[in-house]
Amino acid sequence: QSALTQPASVSGSPGQSITISCTGISSDVGGYNYVSWYQHHPGKAPKLVIYEVSNRPSGVSYRFSGSKSGNTASLTISGLQAEDEADYHCSSHTSSNTLVFGGGTKVTVL
Amino acid sequence: EVQLLESGGGLVQPGGSLRLSCAASGFTFSIYAMSWVRQAPGKGLEWVSAISDSDDTTYYADSVKGRFTISRDNSKNTLYLQVNSLRAEDTAVYYCAKDVDGYYPHYFDHWGQGTLVTVSS
Repeated sequence: QSALTQPASVSGSPGQSITISCTGISSDVGGYNYVSWYQHHPGKAPKLVIYEVSNRPSGVSYRFSGSKSGNTASLTISGLQAEDEADYHCSSHTSSNTLVFGGGTKVTVL
Repeated sequence: EVQLLESGGGLVQPGGSLRLSCAASGFTFSIYAMSWVRQAPGKGLEWVSAISDSDDTTYYADSVKGRFTISRDNSKNTLYLQVNSLRAEDTAVYYCAKDVDGYYPHYFDHWGQGTLVTVSS
């Protein structure tokens, strides 16, 4: 159950687009479309922003989008805004019927 | 409105035990799988354990297998995590999370605010 690999930090200026990668293996990210992304502001409850690779829950901004290619999933935030500054975590269902998270990525809006 | 309220965290010595609770409201608790997820200081989220809707199947991360026990009481809309043989590396905020499915852990559409467990002598 090794954690998925995410960059520790990503930054961008307001209005820019950033992409966060999430790399796993064939028995998790590569094998299932149950990749999800969570936005987490310190001290608050995590919030689901993408589910099943590329779907946005109701109420989540269209600026958030997800994709997957092979064993790597990606979260793109377009039109970066100050409120997007947070930690972002990816997760995937696994072949053991468990769940695995990435190490988290700190997004900084410059 | 879905609400998940964790309780039971605190300071405990290495080797000690705690029972965490998560009171759920605002949805039909008995038809969804539930999970515990933790975040150690300065670390990412770590999935800990899940339980199916009817309480007949449980899942654990290797790091807690044999020491933690997840359970639920659908009549009380409450999720539990019995944590035993605690180690310093179990120090974390423990979150309760609602799955979108009833059986295997998939992803979580609602989370609680968390309860802090600190393991220290």
